[in-house]
Amino acid sequence: SQTIHQWPATLVQPVGSPLSLECTVEGTSNPNLYWYRQAAGRGLQLLFYSVGIGQISSEVPQNLSASRPQDRQFILSSKKLLLSDSGFYLCAWSHPQETQYFGPGTRLLVL
Amino acid sequence: GEDVEQSLFLSVREGDSSVINCTYTDSSSTYLYWYKQEPGAGLQLLTYIFSNMDMKQDQRLTVLLNKKDKHLSLRIADTQTGDSAIYFCAESKRGSTLGRLYFGRGTQLTVWP
Repeated sequence: SQTIHQWPATLVQPVGSPLSLECTVEGTSNPNLYWYRQAAGRGLQLLFYSVGIGQISSEVPQNLSASRPQDRQFILSSKKLLLSDSGFYLCAWSHPQETQYFGPGTRLLVL
Repeated sequence: GEDVEQSLFLSVREGDSSVINCTYTDSSSTYLYWYKQEPGAGLQLLTYIFSNMDMKQDQRLTVLLNKKDKHLSLRIADTQTGDSAIYFCAESKRGSTLGRLYFGRGTQLTVWP
């Protein structure tokens, strides 16, 4: 069966520091991968998606970037965090045109 | 406006039925989903319905789809305190090569003992 992991679970970072959040998927190959942010208003905002290694599409302009160095690894990064980057970051995977399955999330607090 | 809309809050008494409603705008939706999010956790897929279906039942969960009104509902029978969570409605759209989902803002369900 497939599983999706996110690391770390919780992170507290100062403003201006770099960020690296990791998402890995097991038990499947060539998945679509997604990064979402869930802010205080609880809605889910799609940040990035990827249909293959090295293929990243950004949904909204922002302070963040994403990379997919391996088939089942998706990384969310920032060079300098802003206060507004605080939130709950969710990674998800799917096969094309199929259901999305979510990871446990990373809670980021920028102080 | 939002593609998918939900009321933000719902409170019910334990043992009663809960009905969470959702409206969407795109008539080309293919699948419609319900996800559950418990505090501090990721989203858990509860159920989904294909757009050519009217109803789907899975144990205590019943999904009703009214395509004419673009209205989706999730009924939870015999609601328990463990059902307290945020419930998200989501749609996928025909023609989306990514299979992208469009989410509502979520309905916070509170179950009182």
